[in-house]
Amino acid sequence: DSGVTQTPKHLITATGQRVTLRCSPRSGDLSVYWYQQSLDQGLQFLIHYYNGEERAKGNILERFSAQQFPDLHSELNLSSLELGDSALYFCASSVGWGDNQPQHFGDGTRLSIL
Amino acid sequence: KNQVEQSPQSLIILEGKNCTLQCNYTVSPFSNLRWYKQDTGRGPVSLTIMTFSENTKSNGRYTATLDADTKQSSLHITASQLSDSASYICVVSRGSGGYQKVTFGTGTKLQVIP
Repeated sequence: DSGVTQTPKHLITATGQRVTLRCSPRSGDLSVYWYQQSLDQGLQFLIHYYNGEERAKGNILERFSAQQFPDLHSELNLSSLELGDSALYFCASSVGWGDNQPQHFGDGTRLSIL
Repeated sequence: KNQVEQSPQSLIILEGKNCTLQCNYTVSPFSNLRWYKQDTGRGPVSLTIMTFSENTKSNGRYTATLDADTKQSSLHITASQLSDSASYICVVSRGSGGYQKVTFGTGTKLQVIP
């Protein structure tokens, strides 16, 4: 068990809808990272937050947004969903914000768009 | 173009045997290289993180090597166990001062059979 909790585990919705994925980092970790893993594109880094502030952006679409709250949990909001957004969404956490920090991953939210 | 290529794509070995997975990258400027193990349906688990100055790092039966001159890394698994069956992903970061651009390999799928 990594100590990172993601909810829900599975989500099924329709095109055009909006969903929110939630992540609780390990106790004491200040950084949260979001990743998308699809069958055709593998793992992709989306965004990194450290102690409530955005630190780095990867291949995150404009339809997607994230935030980290004062209690350090994070939410990833996906809107105007398309079939291609079907994927596993992972959250990871680390103690600090440096690039050499070990990251601990949750078990993901599987999003299926019908 | 920043790329990470892993070989082989898949591998089947007998329990107890050793194996070596390869990762070649063209990412520049290099920051660090990570190896992850990902069981089916689970989040990735960090095995090793290596910076430019490190050429070997071990984690139990897993030993990663890095040759920054040739831009190659390998992950050696000793005395394989059935539980080693998983995908192994190589991730290379570039930049500095935070979690900057990351490029993921597509992974090697390892199956250990009795």
